[in-house]
Amino acid sequence: QVQLQESGPGLVKPSQTLSLTCTVSGGSISSGGYYWSWIRQHPGKGLEWIGYLYYSGNTYYNPSLKSRVTISIDTSKNQFSLKLSSVTAADTAVYYCARYSGSYCWFDPWGQGTLVTVSS
Amino acid sequence: QSALTQPPSASGSPGQSVTISCTGTSSDVGGYNYVSWYQQHPGKAPKLMIYEVSKRPSGVPDRFSGSKSGNTASLTVSGLQAEDEADYYCSSYAGSNPLVFGTGTKVTVL
Repeated sequence: QVQLQESGPGLVKPSQTLSLTCTVSGGSISSGGYYWSWIRQHPGKGLEWIGYLYYSGNTYYNPSLKSRVTISIDTSKNQFSLKLSSVTAADTAVYYCARYSGSYCWFDPWGQGTLVTVSS
Repeated sequence: QSALTQPPSASGSPGQSVTISCTGTSSDVGGYNYVSWYQQHPGKAPKLMIYEVSKRPSGVPDRFSGSKSGNTASLTVSGLQAEDEADYYCSSYAGSNPLVFGTGTKVTVL
């Protein structure tokens, strides 16, 4: 059974780069047909898709965040990562990683989520 | 890329049914049969409940059902139980802007 776990700093200063890693267990990140995704949820708000990538390295980003987002993959460690640059308080959110089916367009499973606060 | 529109809240008594709508456009909900629904309890990660408009993953009770008409998808929870009280989000494939989520609906079991 595939499981995902986010890790990274819970506090980031304004203007710096937010960096998170998602570790995949119970399956290979190089499995075809799946995209490895980041989604965030502002406190008390809805879900916002950030972007995803295929194991080959092809990436797709939310247009509203595209200029600040980089998602990358390390197949040797079965991990993928998120970098969000020039953060502000508006980037304070719970960040989730999730597996996305490219064939059926669903997210499953999800990581437990990690709260990242942007504050000086 | 605008969020899909859901009612902020819905409610029903135990045993009753509640239906949540998810309205988009012909570029997302109306254009593809790739609508999925997620249940989120407070402090927890979302859980997949419905995919491809009306299909249930293994383990999801058949009290949960989905449908679509035009640019609006719907999730119905029949025989409401206390454990169904949660936030529900829809999402849809959207072509060149690949993915969009709904605004979310809080379901209360009275």
